[in-house]
Amino acid sequence: AQKVTQAQTEISVVEKEDVTLDCVYETRDTTYYLFWYKQPPSGELVFLIRRNSFDEQNEISGRYSWNFQKSTSSFNFTITASQVVDSAVYFCALSEAGAGGFKTIFGAGTRLFVKA
Amino acid sequence: GAVVSQHPSWVICKSGTSVKIECRSLDFQATTMFWYRQFPKQSLMLMATSNEGSKATYEQGVEKDKFLINHASLTLSTLTVTSAHPEDSSFYICSARTGTGVYEQYFGPGTRLTVT
Repeated sequence: AQKVTQAQTEISVVEKEDVTLDCVYETRDTTYYLFWYKQPPSGELVFLIRRNSFDEQNEISGRYSWNFQKSTSSFNFTITASQVVDSAVYFCALSEAGAGGFKTIFGAGTRLFVKA
Repeated sequence: GAVVSQHPSWVICKSGTSVKIECRSLDFQATTMFWYRQFPKQSLMLMATSNEGSKATYEQGVEKDKFLINHASLTLSTLTVTSAHPEDSSFYICSARTGTGVYEQYFGPGTRLTVT
């Protein structure tokens, strides 16, 4: 069975601090996909990144970076020089193949507060 | 990018009535649609997966007679909450996938249901 654990329920930082959001996953499949989504107060999910299980390259996109380590089943997300606009709930998600095709499940989410 | 819309964006209904939520893929054909439910300050929980022209597959614990899902066309899926009660109040999010590629999955903006 697939499972996503985001152990950090809430994180509070001061603007310009770096912050890392942790994500640990469980899956029996060798082919799977990992995602990070941002959910601002409006509720609409904002897609941030997708990684497949065969691509362990870390990725950087502006102030965002992701560290994927299959050895520890982790897919952590770092925001550098955080800004107030980064305040939101961040979800890590996992897709693996099922009887009806891939389906995506979400971790519990980490609520990030960035204070000015 | 591909767009998924939901209608209505919010709805208030009285206990005992039924409510229908529509999910449309605006610029692509969605062979599979997913329905998620999100309670306040909680994660998205997958309710069901529906493939066009066939019956939906419900996740464990989701009452299929209460949450009726119809995916009659490649661009439209509907979720009907029958005999709604206050505990059904939640944020309902649909997601649409094209083809079989997991990465081609797009989320709607969500529908906030309040049952009084």
